[in-house]
Amino acid sequence: GAGVSQSPRYKVTKRGQDVTLRCDPISSHATLYWYQQALGQGPEFLTYFNYEAQPDKSGLPSDRFSAERPEGSISTLTIQRTEQRDSAMYRCASRRGDNTGELFFGEGSRLTVL
Amino acid sequence: EDKVVQSPLSLVVHEGDTVTLNCSYEVTNFRSLLWYKQEKKAPTFLFMLTSSGIEKKSGRLSSILDKKELFSILNITATQTGDSAIYLCSPGGGTSYGKLTFGQGTILTVHP
Repeated sequence: GAGVSQSPRYKVTKRGQDVTLRCDPISSHATLYWYQQALGQGPEFLTYFNYEAQPDKSGLPSDRFSAERPEGSISTLTIQRTEQRDSAMYRCASRRGDNTGELFFGEGSRLTVL
Repeated sequence: EDKVVQSPLSLVVHEGDTVTLNCSYEVTNFRSLLWYKQEKKAPTFLFMLTSSGIEKKSGRLSSILDKKELFSILNITATQTGDSAIYLCSPGGGTSYGKLTFGQGTILTVHP
């Protein structure tokens, strides 16, 4: 696509429910990132993919968080048994290739856990 | 572990003022440092800096990198209310970048 697309834009869920967030990156971009961002702060790294490979998932806060990108394009971030502290903006970004660090961000998915 | 520290965390100024935002970093195999502006929606790219001492300019914004002292500054002259945003820096390293982290951001508020 022309830009990075995320869905849903807003998600309200009850504590204990599972949620899945989706990211559709720019079609020519091999590398995809997930970040968690609290209000007024910088994005916190969660994980990234090179095509379908996931070289680094060190930022995932717990084993309730998982991400996949099975065909090297669309990615999903799943949070199981959500907790109130998971409430945040979840941002996806993609990058063209190895010679640039420039990220193109989606508008994010705002998750609220009640 | 890579480190990125931005200062100040917040700044309130009046239109016409000049501001300087700071970003210090520790990154393995440093390649470049990027600045982004985040308003209500997604962060958008401002500058990418790879070489020390070479100033990059875009209108009233400019930025420079010091690879010896491991910091970068972002200057905004003659600030306008539209400059109000969170400014983020992100250093990148490694042969193919890989994990990319961000500083906490500087929240800039420009009053009329």
